[in-house]
Amino acid sequence: GQNIDQPTEMTATEGAIVQINCTYQTSGFNGLFWYQQHAGEAPTFLSYNVLDGLEEKGRFSSFLSRSKGYSYLLLKELQMKDSASYLCAVRDTVVIFGAGTRLAVHP
Amino acid sequence: GAGVSQSPSNKVTEKGKDVELRCDPISGHTALYWYRQSLGQGLEFLIYFQGNSAPDKSGLPSDRFSAERTGGSVSTLTIQRTQQEDSAVYLCASSSPTGANTEAFFGQGTRLTVV
Repeated sequence: GQNIDQPTEMTATEGAIVQINCTYQTSGFNGLFWYQQHAGEAPTFLSYNVLDGLEEKGRFSSFLSRSKGYSYLLLKELQMKDSASYLCAVRDTVVIFGAGTRLAVHP
Repeated sequence: GAGVSQSPSNKVTEKGKDVELRCDPISGHTALYWYRQSLGQGLEFLIYFQGNSAPDKSGLPSDRFSAERTGGSVSTLTIQRTQQEDSAVYLCASSSPTGANTEAFFGQGTRLTVV
């Protein structure tokens, strides 16, 4: 079966660094995505990993270990506007999403 | 169009009625997804269309749900005999199958309320 796990909620302080973990168990693997979703809005793409290692894009980085079925999203220099849900998604034959992690950034 | 367009943005319907939700994907995108998102929850996969291939319907929760994609472009999700548990935001996404980074672009969704 398909299973994607991520923490339900996290809190962090403005200016800090936060790491959101995602573990997955899928029958196949053709890439892992991270999306950001603000309340009441559609998800927007953040990152894509298909090979092991770290992908960096500005304040956001994403890491993948295929052998461990593990990924994390790292957010640096947190800003208040980063308060949102962060969705981990894995492509097998289709793209399946985890339940999302609600991140609250406070001053 | 410039992005994925969904209509209506909001729909209130009576229990037992049928509803149709429309998705107009980004021009040239051959992959199209329907997801359902209940309040505060993640995205639940419903159905996936890829080009002229048979759709992957493995996520449809019951036979009351069906979807079509005409001419490889516009898609319609139909829910027959709606129930209160069908109330959710229905999101459509499209992507291009080419390239290593085939991110999905989402529409703004249709918020369905069954009363």
